[in-house]
Amino acid sequence: ILNVEQSPQSLHVQEGDSTNFTCSFPSSNFYALHWYRWETAKSPEALFVMTLNGDEKKKGRISATLNTKEGYSYLYIKGSQPEDSATYLCAFNNQGGKLIFGQGTELSVKP
Amino acid sequence: DVKVTQSSRYLVKRTGEKVFLECVQDMDHENMFWYRQDPGLGLRLIYFSYDVKMKEKGDIPEGYSVSREKKERFSLILESASTNQTSMYLCASSFPHGPYNEKLFFGSGTQLSVL
Repeated sequence: ILNVEQSPQSLHVQEGDSTNFTCSFPSSNFYALHWYRWETAKSPEALFVMTLNGDEKKKGRISATLNTKEGYSYLYIKGSQPEDSATYLCAFNNQGGKLIFGQGTELSVKP
Repeated sequence: DVKVTQSSRYLVKRTGEKVFLECVQDMDHENMFWYRQDPGLGLRLIYFSYDVKMKEKGDIPEGYSVSREKKERFSLILESASTNQTSMYLCASSFPHGPYNEKLFFGSGTQLSVL
């Protein structure tokens, strides 16, 4: 059974804090790793799709790194803002095809 | 912008009812998916479709069926709703090139309560 684990499950930070969370996935047969942001009452929105070991992607204050050999990805948020409050989902795609989601990290940023 | 529209945001049904959840996308995507989200669990794939009239079972298809008569529309059907199908249902679509390394575009979800 392929398992994707995200940690922590929830996180509460103050505005201005930088934060990071982890997505762990099987290191064999890697194909792609996705990150999504899901704000309450909105649609989940893709942040990054990462395919290469050592890949680093950035979108504004949010960045992600990928280590396919050891099976993890980090998502970093620099200077968190209240509008960053959301659930962050990662999803792993192996060469067998299906996208497997982690349970998500719920981030709450207090002003 | 890609738009994926789900017909209802909230739905309340009774046990045994037949329930239809509708999803429409406007970007000519070939791939469409139905997921459910439950607290403490990741999104779980119910059914997906790569083309009109084509469907494949996901990880948890029991108690569900789907219909894809037109490219833009993918319907999820609960043949006889049960309380354990109370959940948030998300529809998604993606471009056809490599179904799982292309990002998904999601609808805003339908929160279904079965009483």
